[in-house]
Amino acid sequence: QSVLTQPPSVSGAPGQKVTISCTGSYSNIGAQYDVHWFQQLPGTAPKLLIYGDTNRPSGVPDRFSGSKSGTSASLAITGLQAEDEADYYCQSYDSSLSGFVFGTGTKVSVL
Amino acid sequence: QVHLVESGGGLVKPGGSLRLSCAGSGFNFNDFYMNWIRQAPGKGLEWLASMTSSGSSIYYADSVRGRFVISRDNTKNLVFLQMDSLRPEDTAVYFCARVYDFWSPIDHWGQGVLVSVSS
Repeated sequence: QSVLTQPPSVSGAPGQKVTISCTGSYSNIGAQYDVHWFQQLPGTAPKLLIYGDTNRPSGVPDRFSGSKSGTSASLAITGLQAEDEADYYCQSYDSSLSGFVFGTGTKVSVL
Repeated sequence: QVHLVESGGGLVKPGGSLRLSCAGSGFNFNDFYMNWIRQAPGKGLEWLASMTSSGSSIYYADSVRGRFVISRDNTKNLVFLQMDSLRPEDTAVYFCARVYDFWSPIDHWGQGVLVSVSS
């Protein structure tokens, strides 16, 4: 039961920009809890991509960027590359559930 | 180097029980909340349970509260998930993951262990 809503899929040609939205509510993103983003390649565990709304862990290319406004957050991938084909999930904390909430997940395809 | 390694998965009949373990290494286990998260085949991520660093507080998702129990042994750097009254819809890959607190990012995950519930 995902509480954060993402588009099921987005696609783009190599070099283009794609954006993934993550829509929550006033008990999670709207309560100013941090949003984090994960990349998951097939058959592997999720990998932290963006933390604290906008920050990249060491080793994550600056092609990936995050933003947040109100009850929503977004992940942008610029200069899309074939290796970016993966599933992407947003995640936050929800005060009404007293636990983590994940987005529904978005599959990124490189045309 | 941080490592989280799950074990204990397998095939179980509906109504049965299973106990998952997760061994942590390469970090001060006592400093971190430990968590269980699952992913059903072809589906998204679902948070299940969290336990604070000292074990004093526990939190569960509604979907597993009353059936699953999280525990930890800080002397052995282990976290457990006791799963009872298993249902076919509990079939999933189960990940353990560490986080400093609820407001920090999940920065390390185990490789996951498959639990299949079927007759």
